Amino acid sequence: DTAVSQTPKYLVTQMGNDKSIKCEQNLGHDTMYWYKQDSKKFLKIMFSYNNKELIINETVPNRFSPKSPDKAHLNLHINSLELGDSAVYFCASSQDYSGGTYEQYFGPGTRLTVT
Amino acid sequence: GNSVTQMEGPVTLSEEAFLTINCTYTATGYPSLFWYVQYPGEGLQLLLKATKADDKGSNKGFEATYRKETTSFHLEKGSVQVSDSAVYFCALNLSGGSYIPTFGRGTSLIVHP
Repeated sequence: DTAVSQTPKYLVTQMGNDKSIKCEQNLGHDTMYWYKQDSKKFLKIMFSYNNKELIINETVPNRFSPKSPDKAHLNLHINSLELGDSAVYFCASSQDYSGGTYEQYFGPGTRLTVT
Repeated sequence: GNSVTQMEGPVTLSEEAFLTINCTYTATGYPSLFWYVQYPGEGLQLLLKATKADDKGSNKGFEATYRKETTSFHLEKGSVQVSDSAVYFCALNLSGGSYIPTFGRGTSLIVHP
């Protein structure tokens, strides 16, 4: 009964390819996020969607394009992959985007390796 | 701007030792404060939180008290176990608007038997 799920868990691909990561949450939350975690565990927010609308876009290269078909899903598509895109990508959700007292629920992560 | 500063790791302890991981914050307003834990190969999960000054969050033997006067939210545990080995993140949220959650850089804890 996973709250936030991501697929795939591992993704190995070559430079220049295009890939997608899928995320789904069954918590009924309105807000979903994508984070990138580097090898030193530093967590950087990339995007946030509230009820299918983009509300945060943190100066991410436009090779990264999030898509939210409904409020339970937030997918991440990456074009023309580069070596520096290698990282662990986490999807998360929270009750709403106003922040405040609401914690975030994280998925298990997708480890992307670009060769 | 808003920021969270955590002590650098790794923190290495023997089993049953006392743990403190320091966290201080800067925020424009009155934040809620969180500790998340990330076990190897997993996503972050909430460990505890406090939503107003002097609140104490606690879970699984861990505690942290929201100290507005020192802008701190230090994580403590009286007796750590090997299974507590993980990366710990301090974070803050502010209410209102399209607020960006702010995370510290994480502190790795290694507990030896």
